[in-house]
Amino acid sequence: QKEVEQDPGPLSVPEGAIVSLNCTYSNSAFQYFMWYRQYSRKGPELLMYTYSSGNKEDGRFTAQVDKSSKYISLFIRDSQPSDSATYLCAMSHAGRRALTFGSGTRLQVQP
Amino acid sequence: SQTIHQWPATLVQPVGSPLSLECTVEGTSNPNLYWYRQAAGRGLQLLFYSVGIGQISSEVPQNLSASRPQDRQFILSSKKLLLSDSGFYLCAWSDQEDSPLHFGNGTRLTVT
Repeated sequence: QKEVEQDPGPLSVPEGAIVSLNCTYSNSAFQYFMWYRQYSRKGPELLMYTYSSGNKEDGRFTAQVDKSSKYISLFIRDSQPSDSATYLCAMSHAGRRALTFGSGTRLQVQP
Repeated sequence: SQTIHQWPATLVQPVGSPLSLECTVEGTSNPNLYWYRQAAGRGLQLLFYSVGIGQISSEVPQNLSASRPQDRQFILSSKKLLLSDSGFYLCAWSDQEDSPLHFGNGTRLTVT
């Protein structure tokens, strides 16, 4: 079993829709959670960084962490065609030198 | 502000040839540096990380090696490339152990 599971998609939505992207994980020690956006042939770009449980909002993006369920989410409001990309979740814990990534969900926002 | 540079952007190399990919970071001191490989449709696989000059840790034994000759320079090398070395190679940096990573734009390597 992978430590981090993420549905690969593709997820296709119309412009303006609310998008929900999710990851589940098995390691209860994870306490730092990140979402990255990756455009084709580019490196991943950090979108959100959260510590422990709760919500964090930044513009149209909201990251949610539920440690009791080992489940994290990224919500995108008023989705735009420019949001079309692959979204990667990543997580870590104290003493772990590198992040563990999900395999990414490909999102397509149709104009 | 911090920036990370990675080159070349694309590379086509024959099997058995050597490899050298370079990454430099600007605007920070003593960063943690990382090399990842991303296969099509798969997540990122950590290859090497470094917490200081000359300090390299390998996560996956393989045909590749890494070196850090200067504080903000990280090099990925191979003496003889294999077909299986093809992939998208990403360099990244972080401030400290639990900080998020910041990635370069990657090198797409095709071994023919």
